[in-house]
Amino acid sequence: NAGVTQTPKFRILKIGQSMTLQCAQDMNHNYMYWYRQDPGMGLKLIYYSVGAGITDKGEVPNGYNVSRSTTEDFPLRLELAAPSQTSVYFCASSYGQLNEKLFFGSGTQLSVL
Amino acid sequence: AQTVTQSQPEMSVQEAETVTLSCTYDTSESDYYLFWYKQPPSRQMILVIRQEAYKQQNATENRFSVNFQKAAKSFSLKISDSQLGDAAMYFCAYRPLSGGSNYKLTFGKGTLLTVNP
Repeated sequence: NAGVTQTPKFRILKIGQSMTLQCAQDMNHNYMYWYRQDPGMGLKLIYYSVGAGITDKGEVPNGYNVSRSTTEDFPLRLELAAPSQTSVYFCASSYGQLNEKLFFGSGTQLSVL
Repeated sequence: AQTVTQSQPEMSVQEAETVTLSCTYDTSESDYYLFWYKQPPSRQMILVIRQEAYKQQNATENRFSVNFQKAAKSFSLKISDSQLGDAAMYFCAYRPLSGGSNYKLTFGKGTLLTVNP
């Protein structure tokens, strides 16, 4: 049982480049989330999804886009990378909203130079 | 807006001893969840313990227990019989039970726990 799988684990981007962070879960979870973790800080919610075809903004959505075409996948898109987006990105999922045991992926370390 | 404060950036404990990590939060809600997450060097976030605000009894999970003081808005984590594998960054988190932001976990900045052999 793989849980939540994120790819890539590390990436360096140049300013203005675009990329997609991949996230997949095999637990049939309805809820999926994207967080970013800046150095010395807790996690901040970027976007979340309550099911296939439904997404909504979190606390820090600017500069990002998401889609949820299937229950399993929840990719995060950076269109025009900026140095302020240098961070560690975590994808997470949970079965139900109130059952707040979030399962996290192992993170993507992104540097924008 | 809800805030979560962890006033101890770093803590250390001797193996087999007990350590308490502090967390305070600010909210006007009456119903909410509180969590402690562990982040080892592998980076993966792992749920340690969860407390529902409507429950007066403090949550316990094996060597981990909390001291939940609702009136004081305090939620500390006690780790008993500390083990080397407990070394990690620990995050306190809050989530309201209702309202438009009830999907959002608010995290503190974390406490780095070192366990000395």
